[in-house]
Amino acid sequence: SYVLTQPPSVSVAPGQTARITCGGDNVGSKSVHWYQQKPGQAPVLVIYFDSGRPSGIPERFSGSNSGNTATLTITTVQAGDEADYFCQVWDGSSDHYVFGPGTGVTVL
Amino acid sequence: QIQLVESGGGVVQPGKSLRLSCEASGFTFSNYGMHWVRQAPGKGLEWVAVIWHDGRKIYYADPVKGRFTISRDNSENTLYLQMNTLRVDDMGVYYCARDASNEGIDSWGQGTLVTVSS
Repeated sequence: SYVLTQPPSVSVAPGQTARITCGGDNVGSKSVHWYQQKPGQAPVLVIYFDSGRPSGIPERFSGSNSGNTATLTITTVQAGDEADYFCQVWDGSSDHYVFGPGTGVTVL
Repeated sequence: QIQLVESGGGVVQPGKSLRLSCEASGFTFSNYGMHWVRQAPGKGLEWVAVIWHDGRKIYYADPVKGRFTISRDNSENTLYLQMNTLRVDDMGVYYCARDASNEGIDSWGQGTLVTVSS
C-alpha cells in the first residue's frame, strides 16, 4: 500500500518560515491535502489539491507538489500555528485514503 | 453552518460490538461522500472507511475490513459505523468527516471516543 513520510517535528522561530515535507513515490502525480490539528481539537483542512487554500485559511499557508515531495509552507509563523500537520492522498491503486504520520510544529 | 455530530462511543470489551452515528446538518448530505477517520491516543490520523454520496461505493482500510461496516441514511442525514469484533488497537477518537472530492476532507466532527478494554 502507498506510504507517505513526514519529519516528526519542525521547530521555527516566530516570524520565520516553516516548511513541512510529505514524501511518497511519485506523489507529484497525486492530489495532496494538508490538515492542521491542535491539541484536543478536530483536524482542519488548510491546503487542498496541492496548493488550494480553503476560505478562512490565511495566505501565510501555501503548498506545492512535485516529484516525490509535497511541501506545506507557513510564512511569518505565529504562536497560534503550533500544531500537528498531516498530509493526505487518495491512492487509486488500492482505493485507500492515506495519511502521513504527521509533523509537530513547535514555535520557539 | 456545517455540523457533524458523532455519538455512540463508549467503553466496550474486546470482541464486542459498537455502533457509531454521525448526524449531519448545514449542507445537502446526499451530495457528499463521507468518511470515518480515527486517532489512537497520542497517535496520528488513520483513515477507516469512506462511502460515496449514494452509497454505491464503499472502501475500507485493511485493519478494519471484514469487521466494520459503514453505511448512511440520506433521508435522516446520518452516517453510521458498525464495529464488530473490536480489538484493543481499535481504541481511539473516531471522527466523521465530509469528503469534498478533489478539495480534500473539508469538514470534521468533534469525534467520539471508543475505549476497548476488559
